[in-house]
Amino acid sequence: GAVVSQHPSRVICKSGTSVKIECRSLDFQATTMFWYRQFPKQSLMLMATSNEGSKATYEQGVEKDKFLINHASLTLSTLTVTSAHPEDSSFYICSAIDRTRSYEQYFGPGTRLTVT
Amino acid sequence: DAKTTQPTSMDCAEGRAANLPCNHSTISGNEYVYWYRQIHSQGPQYIIHGLKNNETNEMASLIITEDRKSSTLILPHATLRDTAVYYCIVRVANGNQFYFGTGTSLTVIP
Repeated sequence: GAVVSQHPSRVICKSGTSVKIECRSLDFQATTMFWYRQFPKQSLMLMATSNEGSKATYEQGVEKDKFLINHASLTLSTLTVTSAHPEDSSFYICSAIDRTRSYEQYFGPGTRLTVT
Repeated sequence: DAKTTQPTSMDCAEGRAANLPCNHSTISGNEYVYWYRQIHSQGPQYIIHGLKNNETNEMASLIITEDRKSSTLILPHATLRDTAVYYCIVRVANGNQFYFGTGTSLTVIP
């Protein structure tokens, strides 16, 4: 099946700094990518929908100025957590749609962010 | 918001069939039902999806009721590696978003 990668897999940063997470579709073109956040023992929460070449659409309650999303190419989307705080510590997961395969969403392995 | 409700947890004996139910009573006619599973600290893994007809693949079978208000995922011969959280998701028709519900934590018991 199609592969989606994320980098880094784990990151620890200090409060107040910014962190960038990359999401890549390795063997298909993804015109749409999604970003999710998952707190321990909870379900995935959709943060935003990212379409290549256009601004991301954020879900209600998600701060667009804090979670910057860039989808500059058909294989790469980035999520930047700006001025991170401990409450931003979470598991961040991206997914990508391969439109040639019945709109199936392929998920990345996730990035564990810890803000100290 | 998630359009699905699932039992919080289930147990299944190894080698037996695991039947995981899902209610999606507000599903629209052009919305698909997807099933994914998530093993601890990994990204969700696709299992199967369907619209109206029952579906089967190498991993599982999906049974959708005629009124489409509920479905059941069947793992025919559960193994210990099938222990995971299973999510039933209704895919938004005009944007393809997935809104995850709470899922069912399946434990396969030796």
